[in-house]
Amino acid sequence: AQKVTQAQTEISVVEKEDVTLDCVYETRDTTYYLFWYKQPPSGELVFLIRRNSFDEQNEISGRYSWNFQKSTSSFNFTITASQVVDSAVYFCALTSPLTQGGSEKLVFGKGTKLTVNP
Amino acid sequence: KAGVTQTPRYLIKTRGQQVTLSCSPISGHRSVSWYQQTPGQGLQFLFEYFSETQRNKGNFPGRFSGRQFSNSRSEMNVSTLELGDSALYLCASSWGDRGYGYTFGSGTRLTVV
Repeated sequence: AQKVTQAQTEISVVEKEDVTLDCVYETRDTTYYLFWYKQPPSGELVFLIRRNSFDEQNEISGRYSWNFQKSTSSFNFTITASQVVDSAVYFCALTSPLTQGGSEKLVFGKGTKLTVNP
Repeated sequence: KAGVTQTPRYLIKTRGQQVTLSCSPISGHRSVSWYQQTPGQGLQFLFEYFSETQRNKGNFPGRFSGRQFSNSRSEMNVSTLELGDSALYLCASSWGDRGYGYTFGSGTRLTVV
């Protein structure tokens, strides 16, 4: 069975601090996809990044960066110089369409609530 | 392009009633999935429809059902509502065959009283 663990339930930082959100996953599949979504108070899940299991290259997008390490089954997310607008709940998710009949069913972690204080 | 549209945004229903939620996916997307989000259980997969066929189903009772129309729009129905069905119901659409993941709608907040 697949599982995603986000051990940090809540994190509070002061604006301009760097913050890392941890994500550890479990799967027996060799082909899988990992995602990060952001959920602001409005409720919509906003896509941030997708990474496939064969691409361990780290990625940077502005103040956001992601570190994917298959050896530790981790896909961590770092926000550099955090801002108040980064306050939200962040979810890590996993899917393996090849073993799900093509279905892209997502398995989500419990989420990490990030509060950035001015 | 237009995103995923869910209607209504808010619903209040009484125990025992039934409810139908609607989801219009992004144009061209053939897969629509539904998720239930509660404080206790988090985000849980309900079911996925691809080209009008249910392709995957989560671990929910038969009171939860859905369907997809030929234009890819989807509806989910919950019959005999229980207090525990109060949740945010999120719909998501995708191409369904490319591993690109989902685009989510803003959700329908269902309150059962």
